[in-house]
Amino acid sequence: QVQLQESGPGLVKPSQTLSLTCTVSGGSISSGGYYWSWIRQHPGKGLEWIGYIYYSGSTYYNPSLKSRVTISVDTSKNQFSLKLSSVTAADTAVYYCASQVVVVAAMRGGWFDPWGQGTLVTVSS
Amino acid sequence: DIQMTQSPSSLSASVGDRVTITCQASQDISNYLNWYQQKPGKAPKLLIYDASNLETGVPSRFSGSGSGTDFTFTISSLQPEDIATYYCQQYDNPRFTFGPGTKVDIK
Repeated sequence: QVQLQESGPGLVKPSQTLSLTCTVSGGSISSGGYYWSWIRQHPGKGLEWIGYIYYSGSTYYNPSLKSRVTISVDTSKNQFSLKLSSVTAADTAVYYCASQVVVVAAMRGGWFDPWGQGTLVTVSS
Repeated sequence: DIQMTQSPSSLSASVGDRVTITCQASQDISNYLNWYQQKPGKAPKLLIYDASNLETGVPSRFSGSGSGTDFTFTISSLQPEDIATYYCQQYDNPRFTFGPGTKVDIK
């Protein structure tokens, strides 16, 4: 059974770059059939999809964050990573990594399952 | 962009009650609609995919229906362990937007 685990600093200073890594266990990122996604949840709020990467390295980002987001993959370590630049207090959130199934019939990403446990990142000086 | 709305935003019901949550998309999304359960301090968990398909291992008291712009999520008999916030999520548009959530409590 695939499991995901986020790791990275819990505190980032304003204007700096937030960096998180998601380690995948119980399955291979390179096996195909899944996008590897980042999703965030502001405190007490709803869910916002940030972007995804395929094992080949192709990416797609939420247009609202695209100018600040980079997602990369390291298949040798079975990990994928998120970088969000020029952070402000508005980027304070719980960040989740998740596997998103590729729905072949629809030729698009579908549902998110499973999710990592999430990690709270606070932007503060 | 596709906007997702949910109603109600919160509800209280008794154990054993039938609970219904609606999700509406701002445009036709076919059946590209999923439902998640999030318990406090936990990650969301997939319950229903493609509007009506029950994820493996999810109790049969959970169900979903709908297509186009209007969708319904039902708990046929509310259990204490169902206390959570429920979110719908569309995947017709690759911004994969979520609804604002419906918080379910026990009365």
